[in-house]
Amino acid sequence: AQKITQTQPGMFVQEKEAVTLDCTYDTSDQSYGLFWYKQPSSGEMIFLIYQGSYDEQNATEGRYSLNFQKARKSANLVISASQLGDSAMYFCAMREADLSGGYQKVTFGTGTKLQVIP
Amino acid sequence: DAGVTQSPTHLIKTRGQQVTLRCSPKSGHDTVSWYQQALGQGPQFIFQYYEEEERQRGNFPDRFSGHQFPNYSSELNVNALLLGDSALYLCASSTNNYEQYFGPGTRLTVT
Repeated sequence: AQKITQTQPGMFVQEKEAVTLDCTYDTSDQSYGLFWYKQPSSGEMIFLIYQGSYDEQNATEGRYSLNFQKARKSANLVISASQLGDSAMYFCAMREADLSGGYQKVTFGTGTKLQVIP
Repeated sequence: DAGVTQSPTHLIKTRGQQVTLRCSPKSGHDTVSWYQQALGQGPQFIFQYYEEEERQRGNFPDRFSGHQFPNYSSELNVNALLLGDSALYLCASSTNNYEQYFGPGTRLTVT
């Protein structure tokens, strides 16, 4: 089973509008973390936002917010007031603790290509 | 403050050859993870190094090996290159297993 599922291969949004990128995850761990990364055509992965499984409030970072619904196992990214520079691939990722309680690998989804239209 | 750096930027190799990719972590970071990202896919975890030891490994063959040096920099080695090894190789550094900072990547082409 996919650990991270991003069902939107591509999305379009009008400049200055808000857009939601979907992400669902699958884990049996109680402690985990969810990330969103932006990857422009240059290739570098840019960290956007992080949500811990025990965080009660949804994470926000500037124009980015994470709509975390734990019971539904979803962690959607909301970008407000879209800008042309937001056009990029967006990846949702999950970090799970290993059996010793230490850090395990981060698993990425397949990504959503967002294009902002002027 | 320098971020994560990787070298080289691009590399072209022939099937069967060996390649070494290098990564310098962000200042203050002691953990380095390596990822392979094939075209149109999300990054796939290769392995992670902490305190000069491989701490976790993804589903990659033994042809993929690595090393971490006392200054926390790291190398990724791939032996007996296959056409399917062509990808963007990303290095990420972190501390205390929190936020990972990625480098710009090395684009490897195997012909």
